[in-house]
Amino acid sequence: EIVLTQSPGTLSLSPGERATLSCRASQSVRSKSLAWYQQKPGQAPRLLIYDASSRATGIPDRFSGSGSGTDFTLTISRLEPEDFAVYYCQQYDSSPPNTFGQGTRLEIK
Amino acid sequence: EVQLLESGGGLVQPGGSLRLSCAASGFTFSSNAMAWVRQAPGKGLQWVSGVNPDGIHTNYADSVRGRFTISRDNSRNTLYLQINSLGAEDTAIYYCAKVRDYGDWRFYFDNWGQGTLVTVSS
Repeated sequence: EIVLTQSPGTLSLSPGERATLSCRASQSVRSKSLAWYQQKPGQAPRLLIYDASSRATGIPDRFSGSGSGTDFTLTISRLEPEDFAVYYCQQYDSSPPNTFGQGTRLEIK
Repeated sequence: EVQLLESGGGLVQPGGSLRLSCAASGFTFSSNAMAWVRQAPGKGLQWVSGVNPDGIHTNYADSVRGRFTISRDNSRNTLYLQINSLGAEDTAIYYCAKVRDYGDWRFYFDNWGQGTLVTVSS
């Protein structure tokens, strides 16, 4: 089973700043089979990025994904107030199960 | 617009059972693999189960295999999860999700319902 470790656990930033979230896999993720989700309090997760770097439909271009192998990054170029949420990565290289990281909480500084 | 609407959650005693439903619309349900994902209170996400488009092939997380059964009725555009022998560790919000399937049970979740809460307590 591939274990995903996200860092930091909590990231405190201000609107307008750049956010960089990390997701590290315990073994190489083939074919960049990694997705990112955003979850706001009381809401379901929302797909942001799939295949490590492809934005889902309707996702603003300030969100970008990168990486390969064992190291992946979600970058939010300029934080908007609505971007403060919890972010999860998920691998779909090794399945079952399709494992998730434990999440990074992005909070307003 | 894809819509997924879960129902059937509630308070159940340890050892009890529930049947969760997910009504789907806005896409060709019978052509899509589907899945259930759960989230314990204040915790992260855990894939629970998946089913292929025609309902013949299913798969489960080890923690629920033998207790949970996923199924679908393509004539009703509805996904189900029968959950039996419930324990406190099954307390969670259960989300229905449409998946983008790469085969061999490799998929990501491209649309999610709002979830239904299952609480296991005496």
